Amino acid sequence: QVTLRESGPALVKSTETLRLTCTFSGFSLPTKWMRVAWLRQPPGKTLEWLARLDWDGDRHYSTSLETRLSISKDPFTNQVVLTMTNMDPVDTAIYYCARMRADRSGNRFYFDFWGQGILVTVSS
Amino acid sequence: DIQMTQSPSSLSAYVGDRVTITCRASQSITSYLNWYQQRPGKAPSLLIYIASNLQSGVSSRFSGSGSGTDFTLTISGLQPEDFATYYCLQTYSTPYTFGQGTKLEI
Repeated sequence: QVTLRESGPALVKSTETLRLTCTFSGFSLPTKWMRVAWLRQPPGKTLEWLARLDWDGDRHYSTSLETRLSISKDPFTNQVVLTMTNMDPVDTAIYYCARMRADRSGNRFYFDFWGQGILVTVSS
Repeated sequence: DIQMTQSPSSLSAYVGDRVTITCRASQSITSYLNWYQQRPGKAPSLLIYIASNLQSGVSSRFSGSGSGTDFTLTISGLQPEDFATYYCLQTYSTPYTFGQGTKLEI
């Protein structure tokens, strides 16, 4: 059974660095074609993809946020960590981690399992 | 970045109706289009992946079609639990981008 769970602070202050942890089970990230990603959703708005970590260690980031983001995996646990620097009130959102997998072709990917999300509020 | 234009933004319907939601990409994304349902206070849930593949466990009342730039999600025989917000997502290239959402209301 695949599960993901986000953890981290519910409240951060402007200019601080946010550190979120995604703890997952039911799959192994080094397994070929597996990926873990972070996304967010400001209150009442659509979703936004932030970052992705692949089974081979490759990393991809949102174009608009890449200077502030870092994604990594703890080598000893099933945890993927996202850090976002210089937080601002506009970064207030529900942050989700999700598993990304490939279809049978191995070329076409989609998010199939999501965590419940964590609301992060940034105070000024 | 690939822009995803989803319409309509809201939709009123009745139980038993058939509804269609569309998503248009700003460039060809071949079949890399996925549909999600989100109920209030919950995470998105996968309905359709790679344009037309029904996710395991999802009702066959949901179907997806399209390729290139134009895609459609169809819900047949609306049930009370289908009233939610629906999003399309392209995974053709990073940054992955979502549509603005369609809120389906009674």
